[in-house]
Amino acid sequence: AQKVTQAQTEISVVEKEDVTLDCVYETRDTTYYLFWYKQPPSGELVFLIRRNSFDEQNEISGRYSWNFQKSTSSFNFTITASQVVDSAVYFCALSEESGTASKLTFGTGTRLQVTL
Amino acid sequence: ETGVTQTPRHLVMGMTNKKSLKCEQHLGHNAMYWYKQSAKKPLELMFVYNFKEQTENNSVPSRFSPECPNSSHLFLHLHTLQPEDSALYLCASSPRPFVEGYTFGSGTRLTVV
Repeated sequence: AQKVTQAQTEISVVEKEDVTLDCVYETRDTTYYLFWYKQPPSGELVFLIRRNSFDEQNEISGRYSWNFQKSTSSFNFTITASQVVDSAVYFCALSEESGTASKLTFGTGTRLQVTL
Repeated sequence: ETGVTQTPRHLVMGMTNKKSLKCEQHLGHNAMYWYKQSAKKPLELMFVYNFKEQTENNSVPSRFSPECPNSSHLFLHLHTLQPEDSALYLCASSPRPFVEGYTFGSGTRLTVV
């Protein structure tokens, strides 16, 4: 069975600090996808990134960066120079194929609070 | 505008009521999903539809009844719910397997009294 673990339930930082959100996953599939989503107070989950299991290159997008380490089954997310608008719940997710539709297994989320 | 619209945003219902949640997407996606988000629990997949056909029912109690009349619309019919069913119900859609990520709606915050 697939599983996603986000051990950090809540993180609080001061604006401009860097913060890393951890994600560890378990799967028996050799082909899989990993995702990060952001859930602001408004409720909808906003897609941030997708990474497939064959691409271990780290990715940077503005202040966001992702570190995929297949050897440790981790897909960590770093926000550089955090801002108040980054305050949200962040979910890591793992994709498997279910019949002819994919489905995501989510972690429990990490609540990030960025204060002035 | 997220591309996936859910109505209503908030719903309070008694345990004997019947209500329906609606989800609509015009993204041309073929797969649609219902997820339940309860406090301090992972998002729980409830149902998966692909090309209007239900492909997964994740052991959801029969008091939740999904309906997918076409690839753009998804409903969740509710009847005789329990207080523990109070949660945020999220609808999502995706183009096809392993493509991009899901697009989620803003959810319906359901309170059962």
